Amino acid sequence: GQQVMQIPQYQHVQEGEDFTTYCNSSTTLSNIQWYKQRPGGHPVFLIQLVKSGEVKKQKRLTFQFGEAKKNSSLHITATQTTYVGTYFCAANNAGNMLTFGGGTRLMVKP
Amino acid sequence: DGGITQSPKYLFRKEGQNVTLSCEQNLNHDAMYWYRQDPGQGLRLIYYSQIVNDFQKGDIAEGYSVSREKKESFPLTVTSAQKNPTAFYLCASSGGAVGTDTQYFGPGTRLTVL
Repeated sequence: GQQVMQIPQYQHVQEGEDFTTYCNSSTTLSNIQWYKQRPGGHPVFLIQLVKSGEVKKQKRLTFQFGEAKKNSSLHITATQTTYVGTYFCAANNAGNMLTFGGGTRLMVKP
Repeated sequence: DGGITQSPKYLFRKEGQNVTLSCEQNLNHDAMYWYRQDPGQGLRLIYYSQIVNDFQKGDIAEGYSVSREKKESFPLTVTSAQKNPTAFYLCASSGGAVGTDTQYFGPGTRLTVL
């Protein structure tokens, strides 16, 4: 079945540093979604990317969908402690269920 | 106030007992899902349902059962056949075709089997 690899598994950054998590699929995707889970909380939808090469921004967050629609990235510029949590990508291959990546846990040192 | 509710937040059970986790949504969503999350891990799909009285197994359905008698409700039973039931269980729903639309998650139930 479809596999979704997400790296890194953990990332410690100093407040003000940038952060990036990468998501890679073994198959071409219809779309990819990103979710954030705060410590002790539940996943909350952030964004969906559909088009090849698509780039979307939300404040300090930049989301990209690869040209081949097999990979995606989430980049946070000048991370703050409010961004602490685990970021998951969720990949959709037409006709199949969403497959969640393993997540990247972001820890920020003030 | 629309959303998904799960109860209880924390649940303790003795080994060998069946336990049912509640999930209710008032978002008028057709599709509902159950996921299992282990510490430091991602989400694994247990069961999903596109419509009332219909549900399908996910990747790790063994030892679990569900029902979908009402659109708003999708309870999950963790049976004694589940070898390692201690985990965080998340229920979700979506408005579009199953697996394609944004999923809205409930607050989760942390199950500990002693």
